[in-house]
Amino acid sequence: EDQVTQSPEALRLQEGESSSLNCSYTVSGLRGLFWYRQDPGKGPEFLFTLYSAGEEKEKERLKATLTKKESFLHITAPKPEDSATYLCAVQDNTDKLIFGTGTRLQVFP
Amino acid sequence: DAMVIQNPRYQVTQFGKPVTLSCSQTLNHNVMYWYQQKSSQAPKLLFHYYDKDFNNEADTPDNFQSRRPNTSFCFLDIRSPGLGDAAMYLCATSSRTGLDTQYFGPGTRLTVL
Repeated sequence: EDQVTQSPEALRLQEGESSSLNCSYTVSGLRGLFWYRQDPGKGPEFLFTLYSAGEEKEKERLKATLTKKESFLHITAPKPEDSATYLCAVQDNTDKLIFGTGTRLQVFP
Repeated sequence: DAMVIQNPRYQVTQFGKPVTLSCSQTLNHNVMYWYQQKSSQAPKLLFHYYDKDFNNEADTPDNFQSRRPNTSFCFLDIRSPGLGDAAMYLCATSSRTGLDTQYFGPGTRLTVL
């Protein structure tokens, strides 16, 4: 059965303290891996799509990487406005998105 | 700006009273999705439309129905809401199935009293 596991469930960082969020997956026929940001009470906001192992994408303080078993979202020198839940989702060979439960990030000044 | 719009943002209904949530999009995307997200849980796909073709997930309760009268609009009907149906309902669109990114609306928070 396809599965997406995100860790940690929650992460508290001091402003400027870099860290990484993990998304591990088992999926039949990975077609793509997606990262979304979700603020409380709002819909997920698209961040990145990764298609193949070794691929990396960057946006401001965020960098996403992909291996055959997992993806990392690296946050460099985070700011309080980076506080949100970060969702990982994989697309299997039926084209459905399977989401993880997310990592809730809090960045304190 | 092209976007996905959901109305209302907050909906309160009574146990067993039918409710309709709406989604519209200006992206001209072929595919529209409805997800249910409960607190601290992953979004769960309820169904999706590819153009007019309706695709129901096997575990979506019969209590949930959907309509897509045209490319821009899609509706989620909950015929007899129960307390367990209280959740955030998310609409998403993509240009086509496959590797295209799904773009989400802001969601509708449903409360059942």
